[in-house]
Amino acid sequence: GAVVSQHPSWVICKSGTSVKIECRSLDFQATTMFWYRQFPKQSLMLMATSNEGSKATYEQGVEKDKFLINHASLTLSTLTVTSAHPEDSSFYICSGRAPSSYEQYFGPGTRLTVT
Amino acid sequence: QKEVEQNSGPLSVPEGAIASLNCTYSDRVSQSFFWYRQYSGKSPELIMSIYSNGDKEDGRFTAQLNKASQYVSLLIRDSQPSDSATYLCAAPGGQGNLIFGKGTKLSVKP
Repeated sequence: GAVVSQHPSWVICKSGTSVKIECRSLDFQATTMFWYRQFPKQSLMLMATSNEGSKATYEQGVEKDKFLINHASLTLSTLTVTSAHPEDSSFYICSGRAPSSYEQYFGPGTRLTVT
Repeated sequence: QKEVEQNSGPLSVPEGAIASLNCTYSDRVSQSFFWYRQYSGKSPELIMSIYSNGDKEDGRFTAQLNKASQYVSLLIRDSQPSDSATYLCAAPGGQGNLIFGKGTKLSVKP
């Protein structure tokens, strides 16, 4: 299957700071990437859909000014959590959609802890 | 609103048995379905895609699709403790995304 990487795999930051998470498709071009959040023992929650070269589409209830998404190339999307607070602590996972398919390949995830 | 429903479990089976995971979906026009496996603390991994009615086999895994009944299942033969994970069913959401079920937690007891 296709490979998606994420960096960093885990990060600890102080409340009020910003954190950037990178998501890369390594062996395919992902015109669409997705960002999910998952709290412990809960199901995946889609935060936003990111299309290369255009603005991201955010799900209802997700603050677009707080979770900044950039998809500048066919292989790279970034999520920046601005002014992070402890309640933003979660497991953030990106995925890339394979061309001409609905198949999504997930990155390994980034565990964010805000202190 | 398109929906994908799964029994949350936990489903417990003894090692060597067949584990049967079920999923129903609301959108009659969905043409493709996906099973993901998610180990605790890890991200989901695509294990099966199925696009047409009937069975699709891949090693110990068999996906079954019945479009008339809007039902898709995953059978795991000769279950191993390493199969213990949460299994997510997904169907297209219509905007290029996937709608995921909440997942069924499988526990395979040695």
